[in-house]
Amino acid sequence: KAGVTQTPRYLIKTRGQQVTLSCSPISGHRSVSWYQQTPGQGLQFLFEYFSETQRNKGNFPGRFSGRQFSNSRSEMNVSTLELGDSALYLCASSPTGRAAGELFFGEGSRLTVL
Amino acid sequence: GIQVEQSPPDLILQEGANSTLRCNFSDSVNNLQWFHQNPWGQLINLFYIPSGTKQNGRLSATTVATERYSLLYISSSQTTDSGVYFCAVGSGTGNQFYFGTGTSLTVIP
Repeated sequence: KAGVTQTPRYLIKTRGQQVTLSCSPISGHRSVSWYQQTPGQGLQFLFEYFSETQRNKGNFPGRFSGRQFSNSRSEMNVSTLELGDSALYLCASSPTGRAAGELFFGEGSRLTVL
Repeated sequence: GIQVEQSPPDLILQEGANSTLRCNFSDSVNNLQWFHQNPWGQLINLFYIPSGTKQNGRLSATTVATERYSLLYISSSQTTDSGVYFCAVGSGTGNQFYFGTGTSLTVIP
């Protein structure tokens, strides 16, 4: 069974641009969540989607958004990039829609904002 | 949100030594996982352990949910065990997890 796939793996953007990251969950998993990892703030929850609906949202500005498609694939978008958005963005999928299932992470997308 | 504290923050071991990593959390949880982050950044699942004890080879974990802590034991450590270990907890509905700041483990030959 293929794992969680994230694309692109690495990208460089400049301030003010926008970026879209993609995540394909493990086959059969309907929950997809996103996390940001930075040296200063650690791992922080961005949002979670289940059956195309945002179910939970972390404490991030509106520049961070996401969506989930009918095949459970998810995208997250960051608009008007700031230097502080440089981070490793990790996607996780879970087989269960009920509370707090086991998470399986992808390899991440490393974003550098110049 | 739930506060998660991990200790120690850094640990250096000689190959073959044993170690215990601790995770304390501030509120009731219905999920707890331990991860190992590899040098490329991927979080590798070690244990899904909301309560009780599990073992997998040289690693084992215990969660005492009523006392709000979990322990990860590494026995006979190897250089490949080096990396950062994270504890993550979840509660309520959905899959929103709170992560600790990690324990950075270095195993020297």
